[in-house]
Amino acid sequence: QKEVEQDPGPLSVPEGAIVSLNCTYSNSAFQYFMWYRQYSRKGPELLMYTYSSGNKEDGRFTAQVDKSSKYISLFIRDSQPSDSATYLCAMAGGGAGKSTFGDGTTLTVKP
Amino acid sequence: NAGVTQTPKFQVLKTGQSMTLQCAQDMNHNSMYWYRQDPGMGLRLIYYSASEGTTDKGEVPNGYNVSRLNKREFSLRLESAAPSQTSVYFCASRDRGQSYEQYFGPGTRLTVT
Repeated sequence: QKEVEQDPGPLSVPEGAIVSLNCTYSNSAFQYFMWYRQYSRKGPELLMYTYSSGNKEDGRFTAQVDKSSKYISLFIRDSQPSDSATYLCAMAGGGAGKSTFGDGTTLTVKP
Repeated sequence: NAGVTQTPKFQVLKTGQSMTLQCAQDMNHNSMYWYRQDPGMGLRLIYYSASEGTTDKGEVPNGYNVSRLNKREFSLRLESAAPSQTSVYFCASRDRGQSYEQYFGPGTRLTVT
């Protein structure tokens, strides 16, 4: 079983919809939780970064971490066509300098 | 700042050929990473270098070697390419400390026929 499981998608929504992207994990040592956005034929770039449990908001994006359930989510409000991309969750902690990535969810926002 | 740069952008190899993928970063980061990305499989870590002079195996190291040439540069070598190594290869770097944010290069698309 993988350490990080991500809802596979793909996901297609109309412009303006609220999008929920989710990952679960099994490693209790993970303390740092990240969401990367990857546009087609580009490298991933960091979108949101959260330490431990709780919520973090940045504009239309909200990241939630529930360590008791080993579950993280990324919410996108008022989704735009420019949000169409693959979203990768990533987690780290336990002393190693590595991150473990989910397989990604591809989102398409239709005008 | 250019960030993380990778060369080449595209490459086609025949089975058994060798090549080196180059990566450089200008952010003075300590750690560098090589990943491969296949459809539906996310990013899989091949090798990483926590600091200059050190390298460690990741999840899928077989068939690859790396060299941390200096703090800026981290190269990935395929000694005898196989069709299973057809993939997109990303290099990334990370600063020292508690931030786990990685900065990625634009990728190298490799096809082995």
